Amino acid sequence: EAGVAQSPRYKIIEKRQSVAFWCNPISGHATLYWYQQILGQGPKLLIQFQNNGVVDDSQLPKDRFSAERLKGVDSTLKIQPAKLEDSAVYLCASSLSQTGAYGYTFGSGTRLTVV
Amino acid sequence: AQSVSQHNHHVILSEAASLELGCNYSYGGTVNLFWYVQYPGQHLQLLLKYFSGDPLVKGIKGFEAEFIKSKFSFNLRKPSVQWSDTAEYFCAVSGGGADGLTFGKGTHLIIQP
Repeated sequence: EAGVAQSPRYKIIEKRQSVAFWCNPISGHATLYWYQQILGQGPKLLIQFQNNGVVDDSQLPKDRFSAERLKGVDSTLKIQPAKLEDSAVYLCASSLSQTGAYGYTFGSGTRLTVV
Repeated sequence: AQSVSQHNHHVILSEAASLELGCNYSYGGTVNLFWYVQYPGQHLQLLLKYFSGDPLVKGIKGFEAEFIKSKFSFNLRKPSVQWSDTAEYFCAVSGGGADGLTFGKGTHLIIQP
């Protein structure tokens, strides 16, 4: 089966600019997650969608980050304006079950560098 | 909130040595436990998972992990490592009302030939 697709693979922007990342989950996976992985740390959950509804966005910095999942399939994550500390790999993952009973499949991520 | 602790940030072993990576989690209720591996330049891959049943879980590539509920631990083991096991290893947990994964900081494993 096709994996979780993310684009772009790399992005370099200046601080205070905006950026958007795209994710296409595995077909049929109702649950979608965005994680932030800062160098030297484990991934941190930013937001979880169940179909096109938000289940958990408690760790999303809502003053600058936003995410949507229109039609319950593809999702975009936006940062506006970016700060230096936003430099990280942004991972998208999807799951067949909201409880993760069948595991989670991760995309390759988008590496963001803010200069 | 849940937390996951991985005891060793960097581990260096020689080929054929035995491996054990420690992982402890904080939540005392029902949890699902995972080990992921990230090879250089690649995405996270699932090594093994525990949901219920036999606390000794076998995964891919000869890895196994043991869930010890009384110790809140889920340590990863492999009896004989190979050079190709060089990677970053992450322990993760879901449950306790959080469906997403909470990850540890990872262990960077280097296998010397």
